[in-house]
Amino acid sequence: GENVEQHPSTLSVQEGDSAVIKCTYSDSASNYFPWYKQELGKRPQLIIDIRSNVGEKKDQRIAVTLNKTAKHFSLHITETQPEDSAVYFCAARNQGGKLIFGQGTELSVKP
Amino acid sequence: ETGVTQSPTHLIKTRGQQVTLRCSSQSGHNTVSWYQQALGQGPQFIFQYYREEENGRGNFPPRFSGLQFPNYSSELNVNALELDDSALYLCASSLASSSGYTFGSGTRLTVV
Repeated sequence: GENVEQHPSTLSVQEGDSAVIKCTYSDSASNYFPWYKQELGKRPQLIIDIRSNVGEKKDQRIAVTLNKTAKHFSLHITETQPEDSAVYFCAARNQGGKLIFGQGTELSVKP
Repeated sequence: ETGVTQSPTHLIKTRGQQVTLRCSSQSGHNTVSWYQQALGQGPQFIFQYYREEENGRGNFPPRFSGLQFPNYSSELNVNALELDDSALYLCASSLASSSGYTFGSGTRLTVV
């Protein structure tokens, strides 16, 4: 069945370092890959997304890469700040519009 | 403000009861999806509605049902509540022609 694997489950970095979170999806028909940041007790908020016809997208300190052949996509955060600490979810959307989420990565940025 | 509103924000129900959760979509969005997020896990897709018709369903039993109204607002109904139904229930709206989803703040359901 459709599945999205995300790792690591927890990630601790020093302020200023980079953080990388990786996801693998199973449905080759997936065409849209958003990343969400969720702070404790709050809604998931879209931070960046990428479509299947693009290999890389960048927005300030955040970038996402997509390898369709390998069915991998990754989130890169540079110059991390304590306010980046949260749980991050990747997701893959199939052609029917169903979003399948990864299990989440708890990012901790230490000052 | 995101434009997607959910009510109520918190709810406590007894096992076996029924519950209705509500969602108002962002203006102009004609597609709504519902997700269940258990503590410490990623959101799990329940179902999706497009122009008042269900057009996708996840691995949830029939006691989870929904409606979408002409103004694109939506309801999630859960019958015969079980303890494992305790979770954060999120709705997300989008334009069918667009990929972006906007999530509401969720309803925290506790079944005791």
